[in-house]
Amino acid sequence: GAVVSQHPSRVICKSGTSVKIECRSLDFQATTMFWYRQFPKQSLMLMATSNEGSKATYEQGVEKDKFLINHASLTLSTLTVTSAHPEDSSFYICSASRERESNQPQHFGDGTRLSIL
Amino acid sequence: AQTVTQSQPEMSVQEAETVTLSCTYDTSESDYYLFWYKQPPSRQMILVIRQEAYKQQNATENRFSVNFQKAAKSFSLKISDSQLGDAAMYFCAYRTQYGNKLVFGAGTILRVKS
Repeated sequence: GAVVSQHPSRVICKSGTSVKIECRSLDFQATTMFWYRQFPKQSLMLMATSNEGSKATYEQGVEKDKFLINHASLTLSTLTVTSAHPEDSSFYICSASRERESNQPQHFGDGTRLSIL
Repeated sequence: AQTVTQSQPEMSVQEAETVTLSCTYDTSESDYYLFWYKQPPSRQMILVIRQEAYKQQNATENRFSVNFQKAAKSFSLKISDSQLGDAAMYFCAYRTQYGNKLVFGAGTILRVKS
């Protein structure tokens, strides 16, 4: 159980394009989802916390207008990179926590490798 | 704010040998959770082991065990009988009792030699 699906796994697109990444909890309800960014051989950097039915909470330094997050249901959160540029190229990972299981670990998606040409 | 420090950027171990990865953290809380995640070249994040701070007993999962020293704020991971499949980047992570946000360390790359 506790499967998180992230799609797409790889995106290559031109500069100026907007890219949407989906994160789904397949077999549980996730009131909270997290979006991370990871550069090669570095740690995961939390970008934002996504709560179902409310606005996302962004970490300091993360542009809200650049990285749009929507958490419309208990099983789906989306990250849209708007007007992407080469510097947005990175590995993006989502994770989800089960509802009411504060002592449970986050369950991670397999990540999305975004390449902006 | 809590911080997590992994002081070993890279470690190597011979196959079948034992290796210990270090992790220290800083917090003013008394109750919290600690995790070790493994990230192989596929970049999938895999939970290795977790520890609740209120438990004095060190967590164990097969070949993986931790040495949790609460007073010293230390949480090291011991991998016994190392296998080639253990080669990965390992992250130590902290989570407060009252929220789900994880704070990650910088990671340690583990190489396993055959």
